Amino acid sequence: NAGVTQTPKFQVLKTGQSMTLQCAQDMNHNSMYWYRQDPGMGLRLIYYSASEGTTDKGEVPNGYNVSRLNKREFSLRLESAAPSQTSVYFCASSADFYREQYFGPGTRLTVT
Amino acid sequence: RKEVEQDPGPFNVPEGATVAFNCTYSNSASQSFFWYRQDCRKEPKLLMSVYSSGNEDGRFTAQLNRASQYISLLIRDSKLSDSATYLCVVRGDNAGNMLTFGGGTRLMVKP
Repeated sequence: NAGVTQTPKFQVLKTGQSMTLQCAQDMNHNSMYWYRQDPGMGLRLIYYSASEGTTDKGEVPNGYNVSRLNKREFSLRLESAAPSQTSVYFCASSADFYREQYFGPGTRLTVT
Repeated sequence: RKEVEQDPGPFNVPEGATVAFNCTYSNSASQSFFWYRQDCRKEPKLLMSVYSSGNEDGRFTAQLNRASQYISLLIRDSKLSDSATYLCVVRGDNAGNMLTFGGGTRLMVKP
């Protein structure tokens, strides 16, 4: 099993450009999450999907949208990138909403 | 006050030493507790859940003190490979029962 996979691994965007970060899990988990990690800030939840067909805002949702495409896939979209969105983005999944989470390898995004 | 607080370190210890980290949490109604390990430029990985009675996994022991609202992680016989950042994670009773991550404690084990 690959666990949680993310693409791309690295990305550089110019301010105002858009992009979609992809995440997939092969553990048959119901819940999926998107976090960002910044130095000194720890991991912060952007959006989550408790189960297929549902999505909800986390702590820092502004500037992002998500799609739970199916049970396996959960994408994060930046419509108009800003330098403040420079960060490392992690996708995670869990068997259900109250269980421990497993993380993908991350996407390092730089917005210039 | 931050919801989950950790001493950022770094803790520099020699191989073979015993080291302990504490983590304090502000929400007395918190339900679940975890320790994750994160290597430099890698994803967090679950190290162990923390149970009310305390639990041990090899050289690692986790304890929960609900009265004082802290959890601890003890590492015995430290290995070079234990060098990493250790994240304290708490699930509270906030809306949606989200996980809240501490900022991490950095451990460096030296030969």
